[in-house]
Amino acid sequence: QKEVEQNSGPLSVPEGAIASLNCTYSDRGSQSFFWYRQYSGKSPELIMFIYSNGDKEDGRFTAQLNKASQYVSLLIRDSQPSDSATYLCAVNAYSSASKIIFGSGTRLSIRP
Amino acid sequence: DTGVSQDPRHKITKRGQNVTFRCDPISEHNRLYWYRQTLGQGPEFLTYFQNEAQLEKSRLLSDRFSAERPKGSFSTLEIQRTEQGDSAMYLCASNWRTEAFFGQGTRLTVV
Repeated sequence: QKEVEQNSGPLSVPEGAIASLNCTYSDRGSQSFFWYRQYSGKSPELIMFIYSNGDKEDGRFTAQLNKASQYVSLLIRDSQPSDSATYLCAVNAYSSASKIIFGSGTRLSIRP
Repeated sequence: DTGVSQDPRHKITKRGQNVTFRCDPISEHNRLYWYRQTLGQGPEFLTYFQNEAQLEKSRLLSDRFSAERPKGSFSTLEIQRTEQGDSAMYLCASNWRTEAFFGQGTRLTVV
């Protein structure tokens, strides 16, 4: 079992709709959870982080965390063509001396 | 400079040669991470430092790879006797507590 799992996609969403990206993780000692956006040929850019169970909103982005289910998600409201990118889920496992582990990413495509 | 800086941005080398990459983290960040990323994959953890101490090195990393952070500031990643399979983007990231920020990466091509 991979430490951080994501559906590779591609996920195609019409412009203006809500895009929902999901991630599961295996280490129950994980404390911090991150979403990065990566455009083709560029390095990952941090867009959201969440530490506590529940929802965290920042503009059009909402991160959701459920530690009991070992599940973290990212919602993008009012999707724009500029949101088309690969979204990487990352987990900081306290039990692994704070190493940050990434999933393989979900490719999101927003169609006009 | 407010971001993570990596040098060089691109490197083309012949198989069997040694290469060294440099990463300058955000100045107040005490942790520094190296990752490798190939097309269609997420960043693969290689190693990381807290100040000058190397805390963990991936078991996937062969003995040809070595990293240093001698004064707890910049870090270098050296690959000896490069192979074509080493072709990838090498990413450096740094953080103080939790959120890590990436440099632009070094794209290595081994021919």
